[in-house]
Amino acid sequence: QKEVEQNSGPLSVPEGAIASLNCTYSDRGSQSFFWYRQYSGKSPELIMFIYSNGDKEDGRFTAQLNKASQYVSLLIRDSQPSDSATYLCAGGGDNAGNMLTFGGGTRLMVKP
Amino acid sequence: GAGVSQSPSNKVTEKGKDVELRCDPISGHTALYWYRQSLGQGLEFLIYFQGNSAPDKSGLPSDRFSAERTGGSVSTLTIQRTQQEDSAVYLCASSFYTSYEQYFGPGTRLTVT
Repeated sequence: QKEVEQNSGPLSVPEGAIASLNCTYSDRGSQSFFWYRQYSGKSPELIMFIYSNGDKEDGRFTAQLNKASQYVSLLIRDSQPSDSATYLCAGGGDNAGNMLTFGGGTRLMVKP
Repeated sequence: GAGVSQSPSNKVTEKGKDVELRCDPISGHTALYWYRQSLGQGLEFLIYFQGNSAPDKSGLPSDRFSAERTGGSVSTLTIQRTQQEDSAVYLCASSFYTSYEQYFGPGTRLTVT
């Protein structure tokens, strides 16, 4: 059974710090990984995707993928209180065309 | 372009009644998914449709739940004889193809009294 694991948190960081969110996955066939942000009472919103080993940067967000270790992370630089949300990691893109597997999410709290 | 839309946004129903929830996916997306999310919990997969293939119903919690997708576009999730434990937010998502990124609708909050 494919699994994507995340620490449920909450992860608490002070405003301006770097928040590091981590995710591990079990299916070595997964080729692409996605980070979603979900504010309380809202639906998940796609914020980053990564297909290749290494880092991918988009503004204050950096996604990191290490396929050998089956590890994905999301770094948020200069964290703001508005970044407080639950972050969902999802894996997919396998050759069998299976749907994404979502982790349970990590709740991030950025304190002013 | 337009995103995934869902209706109604809120639905309050009495225990034992049937409800229908509607999802209109992004135009051109071949895959459509239904999830359920209880307060403070993660996504619970219910069912997905890919093109004209038979739907994957493996996540449906009971035979009171069913879904259909007409013309490869709009989908309706039906819950018969609703129970209080069915109260949750029902999320619909669509993607260009099954293994691609999913885009979520705003959800329908169902409350069974």
